[in-house]
Amino acid sequence: RKEVEQDPGPFNVPEGATVAFNCTYSNSASQSFFWYRQDCRKEPKLLMSVYSSGNEDGRFTAQLNRASQYISLLIRDSKLSDSATYLCVVNLPYVRGSQGNLIFGKGTKLSVKP
Amino acid sequence: EPEVTQTPSHQVTQMGQEVILRCVPISNHLYFYWYRQILGQKVEFLVSFYNNEISEKSEIFDDQFSVERPDGSNFTLKIRSTKLEDSAMYFCASSESGTSGFQETQYFGPGTRLLVL
Repeated sequence: RKEVEQDPGPFNVPEGATVAFNCTYSNSASQSFFWYRQDCRKEPKLLMSVYSSGNEDGRFTAQLNRASQYISLLIRDSKLSDSATYLCVVNLPYVRGSQGNLIFGKGTKLSVKP
Repeated sequence: EPEVTQTPSHQVTQMGQEVILRCVPISNHLYFYWYRQILGQKVEFLVSFYNNEISEKSEIFDDQFSVERPDGSNFTLKIRSTKLEDSAMYFCASSESGTSGFQETQYFGPGTRLLVL
């Protein structure tokens, strides 16, 4: 069973479109959730953390449903610069002094066209 | 803005050779990590390190791998006898703390692309 599963993509959208990414995770004890973006052959960069009540950062909105073990990311008014791979990331529970290491989904590639 | 740095950016080596990948974490961070990403696949956790010892390691991190913090700034990953399947991008990451904040952010370096021939 995959620990973090995402839409396979790729998503090809025009500029200005709204696009939604979905993600499910398998470990119900997971405590921290993030969206990272990764440009081609670059490192993952934190886009936003995901909080239980949902959170928004400009054009980006993240939602968490713990009961369904489901995370989403919505991008409104997409820009050419949003083209990247979006990674759903979950932090394993803190147990036995563990630092809680990140578990990555495979990512969904987004391509925003003019 | 402080950042994690890694050297070299690219490394080509022959199978069976030893390689050392170097990282300089963000200066006030206490927790350090190595991840790898095989081309076209997901980012995978290798090892975490705190207080000069390994905190956790994955099944990938076998006896061929070791980590070290030889001084106050560097954090290294050594692969003793490289295999073809070790070819990947290796990312170092660091975080300020690991036990108090569940939303602790890990900051990634630009990676070292390792090619084993």
